[in-house]
Amino acid sequence: QKEVEQNSGPLSVPEGAIASLNCTYSDRGSQSFFWYRQYSGKSPELIMFIYSNGDKEDGRFTAQLNKASQYVSLLIRDSQPSDSATYLCAVTSSGNTPLVFGKGTRLSVIA
Amino acid sequence: EAGVAQSPRYKIIEKRQSVAFWCNPISGHATLYWYQQILGQGPKLLIQFQNNGVVDDSQLPKDRFSAERLKGVDSTLKIQPAKLEDSAVYLCASSLNTGSTEAFFGQGTRLTVV
Repeated sequence: QKEVEQNSGPLSVPEGAIASLNCTYSDRGSQSFFWYRQYSGKSPELIMFIYSNGDKEDGRFTAQLNKASQYVSLLIRDSQPSDSATYLCAVTSSGNTPLVFGKGTRLSVIA
Repeated sequence: EAGVAQSPRYKIIEKRQSVAFWCNPISGHATLYWYQQILGQGPKLLIQFQNNGVVDDSQLPKDRFSAERLKGVDSTLKIQPAKLEDSAVYLCASSLNTGSTEAFFGQGTRLTVV
């Protein structure tokens, strides 16, 4: 059974700080990695994806991937109260395989 | 571009009743997913379609759940009979294809079984 593990939190950070969210996965054949943000009562919204080892930056968000360690992370710089949400890590292999989600990490940014 | 459409948004039924959910994916998206999300947990895949064929339904409780995607566009998910533990949000998502492409979610249907 392919598994994706996340610390459920809550992770509390002060406004303006860097929030670091982590995810590990069990399937070494995983090829694509996604971060979704989910506000309470809403559906998941894609914010980042990464396919290659290293860092990928998009605005205040940076995704980091280390396939050797089976580890993917999301950094949020200059955290804002509006970033308070649950962040879901999702992983898939190539071919006809579905997204497997972690349980999500709840982030709280304190003003 | 229109997003993934789902209906109804909310549904309350008694246990042992039946219920159906509908999903219209983003135009041109070949892959459609149904996920179940129980409060406090991540989405769990129920079934994945590629066009009108089933790719993965290994976690679908087939004694009570069924799904179809006629003509490879819209999809319906049915539960019959419902149990209390089926209370969850049912999310439909679509992507251009499976594997490396991003999946986009609909607003979901919140089901409460009483």
